[in-house]
Amino acid sequence: GAVVSQHPSRVICKSGTSVKIECRSLDFQATTMFWYRQFPKQSLMLMATSNEGSKATYEQGVEKDKFLINHASLTLSTLTVTSAHPEDSSFYICSASRGQGSSPLHFGNGTRLTVT
Amino acid sequence: GQNIDQPTEMTATEGAIVQINCTYQTSGFNGLFWYQQHAGEAPTFLSYNVLDGLEEKGRFSSFLSRSKGYSYLLLKELQMKDSASYLCAVSNSNYQLIWGAGTKLIIKP
Repeated sequence: GAVVSQHPSRVICKSGTSVKIECRSLDFQATTMFWYRQFPKQSLMLMATSNEGSKATYEQGVEKDKFLINHASLTLSTLTVTSAHPEDSSFYICSASRGQGSSPLHFGNGTRLTVT
Repeated sequence: GQNIDQPTEMTATEGAIVQINCTYQTSGFNGLFWYQQHAGEAPTFLSYNVLDGLEEKGRFSSFLSRSKGYSYLLLKELQMKDSASYLCAVSNSNYQLIWGAGTKLIIKP
């Protein structure tokens, strides 16, 4: 069964509003979670690394003030897309690993965001 | 820089065998992963290689040669449901995952 849960699976919002996406590790504690974005027919693009109890680490070119990440507990990380614009429409996927090294990333089911 | 190369698209016939190649150049190496991603869905884990050689798991096998910076995913007895993108990812010395762009596999009857 799923080990990482992501909610919502789909969301449509109006331009200028904010959207929050939740990512939960279901049966393990994740000190680190990862947020990816994927545009159609393109590969996964790492946006940021979410660290429990500390600030997220953002990849180059990702606006930290626009994509707010909060990792308040060992099982929950949230991504808030603030003041969304149509170009933010994408597939957002979170992931977590039980550990480093050989542990694979487990992905949430993704969130399809459409900004109108 | 770090990069992962894999073919953009491949086509194969149902029941046949297909090999998807992946070459990589990364700062350090802590293993190579293969993931399957169906359209509109999140990736799912297929295999992990950290030592040279072949790892077999049912119809899927993955091979690694660290000296050549090369891996392949072998799919046997292809089924229509195997139509998906296959992503190669390498864990570097900092345990960061470097992703390939994915290979779209099209299965024809």
